Amino acid sequence: KQEVTQIPAALSVPEGENLVLNCSFTDSAIYNLQWFRQDPGKGLTSLLLIQSSQREQTSGRLNASLDKSSGRSTLYIAASQPGDSATYLCAVPSGTYKYIFGTGTRLKVLA
Amino acid sequence: GAVVSQHPSWVICKSGTSVKIECRSLDFQATTMFWYRQFPKQSLMLMATSNEGSKATYEQGVEKDKFLINHASLTLSTLTVTSAHPEDSSFYICSARGTGGRLRYTFGSGTRLTVV
Repeated sequence: KQEVTQIPAALSVPEGENLVLNCSFTDSAIYNLQWFRQDPGKGLTSLLLIQSSQREQTSGRLNASLDKSSGRSTLYIAASQPGDSATYLCAVPSGTYKYIFGTGTRLKVLA
Repeated sequence: GAVVSQHPSWVICKSGTSVKIECRSLDFQATTMFWYRQFPKQSLMLMATSNEGSKATYEQGVEKDKFLINHASLTLSTLTVTSAHPEDSSFYICSARGTGGRLRYTFGSGTRLTVV
């Protein structure tokens, strides 16, 4: 049974810091991994999708890496801003269509 | 592109009544839609998977008679919470997977249900 864990559960940092959010999964037989952002009381926004054949994906200040063999992915946020404050979720496929979500990291960037 | 509209964004209902939540894919056809539930400060838990024109597949522990899912067209899926009780209060989010082998899932903005 696939289990997805995210560390840390919560993070509070001053503006401008570079951050690393971690995601680990127990079953490495995945074909992709996604990182999402969720603002309070809102739905999810897909940030990055990494295919199993890729090692990383970049979008602006965000960089996500994937190491299937070790069951880990990291989301790197460069030069954090208050607008980055949100909950970040990673998710991996389970079976054909289902996604299993991690427990999330609640990020607060202080101005 | 790839927009999913979920309505309503929030609803308050009395215990014992039923509530319907709609999930529409606005600019693509969604062969498969997913319904998730999220409790405060917890992650999303998949409730059911619905395929257009067929019965939904429910996850273990989810009452199919309580959470009725209909996916009558390629752009619309509905979740009806029947005989709602306060413990059904939660945040419900839908997700749609497009046709043509799209691997990216698009999520709705969610519905906050409060049963009083």
